[in-house]
Amino acid sequence: DVKVTQSSRYLVKRTGEKVFLECVQDMDHENMFWYRQDPGLGLRLIYFSYDVKMKEKGDIPEGYSVSREKKERFSLILESASTNQTSMYLCASSLQGITSPLHFGNGTRLTVT
Amino acid sequence: GDSVTQMEGPVTLSEEACLTINCTYTATGYPSLFWYVQYPGEGLQLLLKATKADDKGSNKGFEATYRKETTSFHLEKGSVQVSDSAVYFCALTKYNFNKFYFGSGTKLNVKP
Repeated sequence: DVKVTQSSRYLVKRTGEKVFLECVQDMDHENMFWYRQDPGLGLRLIYFSYDVKMKEKGDIPEGYSVSREKKERFSLILESASTNQTSMYLCASSLQGITSPLHFGNGTRLTVT
Repeated sequence: GDSVTQMEGPVTLSEEACLTINCTYTATGYPSLFWYVQYPGEGLQLLLKATKADDKGSNKGFEATYRKETTSFHLEKGSVQVSDSAVYFCALTKYNFNKFYFGSGTKLNVKP
């Protein structure tokens, strides 16, 4: 089975801190994604990457950046955390091709105080 | 643009009742369609998928048929269990880089 592992289940950070969310997948998937999930807003795509060192903005990239130095690892960075970034963050990966499903990690619940 | 619309919840059913969660989509071309399920405290899991018109996806007693003429992919189950209580998401993708479009999710509560 594909395993997508997010480094933290719960994280509490202060406003203005730099925050790193890490995600690792073990199935050699080309594509990796970061979503945030908020009540009433569903899942919104922040960034995705289709290859090492490649990245594309999703629907809500403002306030975030990403890094993909190795194929299996995709990091989401909040340069200066703000309270409106309190959310559930979901990492996912997939093979190339439109029939390939996303495989999700269990999520990181980030609270910014 | 491309989008997915699914019925609002929560949906509350008694055990062994029939389930239908409606999903319609807007997309040009030939998208692939998916249903995902999210149990409390977990990420999303793939439930089933269909990749072309008239395909039926099925898994764990759930099924959905890709209807291009009505742009729909409704999720059905003949007899729900308490363990089916979760949030269900309909989704589509149509690009090789797998940009997915998700519906807003439908929460299902099944009572014993």
